[in-house]
Amino acid sequence: KQEVTQIPAALSVPEGENLVLNCSFTDSAIYNLQWFRQDPGKGLTSLLLIQSSQREQTSGRLNASLDKSSGRSTLYIAASQPGDSATYLCAVRPGTALIFGKGTTLSVSS
Amino acid sequence: DAGVIQSPRHEVTEMGQEVTLRCKPISGHDYLFWYRQTMMRGLELLIYFNNNVPIDDSGMPEDRFSAKMPNASFSTLKIQPSEPRDSAVYFCASSTTSTLGEQFFGPGTRLTVL
Repeated sequence: KQEVTQIPAALSVPEGENLVLNCSFTDSAIYNLQWFRQDPGKGLTSLLLIQSSQREQTSGRLNASLDKSSGRSTLYIAASQPGDSATYLCAVRPGTALIFGKGTTLSVSS
Repeated sequence: DAGVIQSPRHEVTEMGQEVTLRCKPISGHDYLFWYRQTMMRGLELLIYFNNNVPIDDSGMPEDRFSAKMPNASFSTLKIQPSEPRDSAVYFCASSTTSTLGEQFFGPGTRLTVL
């Protein structure tokens, strides 16, 4: 059974710091991996989608990597800002539906 | 496009009552998903549809839960009778392909059963 783990569960950093969020999954047979952002009381916003054949994707200050063979993905956030404060969810797609980790809650202080 | 639309955004009901959650997917998307988010279990798939047909309902917790998709632009998730343990945020999502495309999520319905 596919399981997705995100460490740490919570992270607090000062503004301007570069940071890395980690995601690991137990079964490498996936079609893709998607990173989401969730603000309190809000829905999920898709940040990056990495297909299984890709190694990384970039969008602005965000860079996501995928090492399918080792079952790992990282989300790198450069020059963090208070507006980046949210919960970041990693989800893998072994079939049609997504399987989610429980997220990392990020707090960026000014 | 308006994105995935869900209603109501918040629902408070008493145990034993029937609850109906509604979802309008993004136009042109032929996959629709219902997920549930709780503090204990995180986000989990309940059921998904392809071209209005239910494909996998293995995540539906019990017979009290049912979902329908009468046409390509509307789906409902019904709980009857509701119980306090059903309290959660229910998300609807849609996508264009089965495995390769992004899933786009609605804002969710926060359900509280007293």
